[in-house]
Amino acid sequence: SSELTQDPAVSVALGHTVRITCQGDSLRNHYVNWYQLKPGQVPLLVMYGKNSRPSGIPARFSGSSSGNTASLTITGAQAEDEADYYCNFRDRFGHHWVFGGGTKLTVL
Amino acid sequence: QVQLVESGGGLVNPGESLRLSCAASGFILGDHYMSWIRQAPGKGLEWISYIGSGGRITYYAASVKGRFTISRDNAKNSLYLQMNSLRVEDTAVYYCARETLGGGYDLLDYWGQGTLVTVSS
Repeated sequence: SSELTQDPAVSVALGHTVRITCQGDSLRNHYVNWYQLKPGQVPLLVMYGKNSRPSGIPARFSGSSSGNTASLTITGAQAEDEADYYCNFRDRFGHHWVFGGGTKLTVL
Repeated sequence: QVQLVESGGGLVNPGESLRLSCAASGFILGDHYMSWIRQAPGKGLEWISYIGSGGRITYYAASVKGRFTISRDNAKNSLYLQMNSLRVEDTAVYYCARETLGGGYDLLDYWGQGTLVTVSS
């Protein structure tokens, strides 16, 4: 199955560390990308591959993967990190992109 | 800088058609696969189609196959999505996104701001 599962909502206290997870059988063979969506803004790629950050993404964002679970960790969450986060990968055999259901991150 | 700007969204009745456009700038469109992704109100992201750099390769999600057609005109730096037989459940913000192979990984590295399609009677 190429489905990806994410927790619908996660919260974190300002300045604390939060991990957002993405689970799926396909993740044993694929790394995921992570996207940040804020209302009214362009979706933003924040992490890709094993643990790569696009230019301009703060170092507090990091990625990891183990078994069937990929994680996006924000170390020292800031108010501006409050957003929806989606994991995804490209299924080359199935010729499609797969998205997780998204996680709404609230920074308290 | 890389910019993608969608247009063509609007309010249509069920069964009608709409054509979305995505204007690309700041890069050579013909060097990249391109995708359309949508987000229905209150829902998550759904990939719906991609097109190869030359336009000959196209794939669709099951939810739109046979109704939607993706195309491109690299000379005009433009990507299109022809949507026919629209349904209420096609109501969504539609994004175009650039595909890139970064460090060996497939990415959707740049997205547009989206265009809203509302299908309602």
